[in-house]
Amino acid sequence: DAGITQSPRHKVTETGTPVTLRCHQTENHRYMYWYRQDPGHGLRLIHYSYGVKDTDKGEVSDGYSVSRSKTEDFLLTLESATSSQTSVYFCAISRESYTEAFFGQGTRLTVV
Amino acid sequence: RKEVEQDPGPFNVPEGATVAFNCTYSNSASQSFFWYRQDCRKEPKLLMSVYSSGNEDGRFTAQLNRASQYISLLIRDSKLSDSATYLCAVYILTGGGNKLTFGTGTQLKVEL
Repeated sequence: DAGITQSPRHKVTETGTPVTLRCHQTENHRYMYWYRQDPGHGLRLIHYSYGVKDTDKGEVSDGYSVSRSKTEDFLLTLESATSSQTSVYFCAISRESYTEAFFGQGTRLTVV
Repeated sequence: RKEVEQDPGPFNVPEGATVAFNCTYSNSASQSFFWYRQDCRKEPKLLMSVYSSGNEDGRFTAQLNRASQYISLLIRDSKLSDSATYLCAVYILTGGGNKLTFGTGTQLKVEL
């Protein structure tokens, strides 16, 4: 299995609080992605990174920010969590922008 | 129109049946295509890449039709263990890095 670790795996937080999810990889892959998965919507891209300090928005980026200060870590921050951000969040990595991607085990976030 | 579209199913088939899924994509410049399998409450796992010439892995066959902009997955001799959601993924070309975009998934239920 690809070396991808997401933390935390589960989190319950209150509306209005900031939350940071971490994705850590040991594969030295260039690309990293954050997705959220909700029933009826499938996997939707939030943000992705194509190198250290190089990030871009996906289709559902509002309310989220990311940072990638080193190759192995990609952080997703919910600046002020809302109930609509209750979801399962997956991190993925790929070696290049045309190669297969591998996923972390996911973070289940509940905003109450 | 969504960039990547799939029939959500569910497809309910008897054990031993052959079943096929299609996935359409909107960006004719897309170069890389994949099929993933996702079990309930788990992360997606790569099933196979899809090559221009088509490719086969045991009971699974993937094909690409560039003219009509779709990819397909054929499962022969279905097993109970094939029950899962099948996701197609396409790299969408952007000005920055390419973004890996998923369909909403097709649910397969194989029954006795």
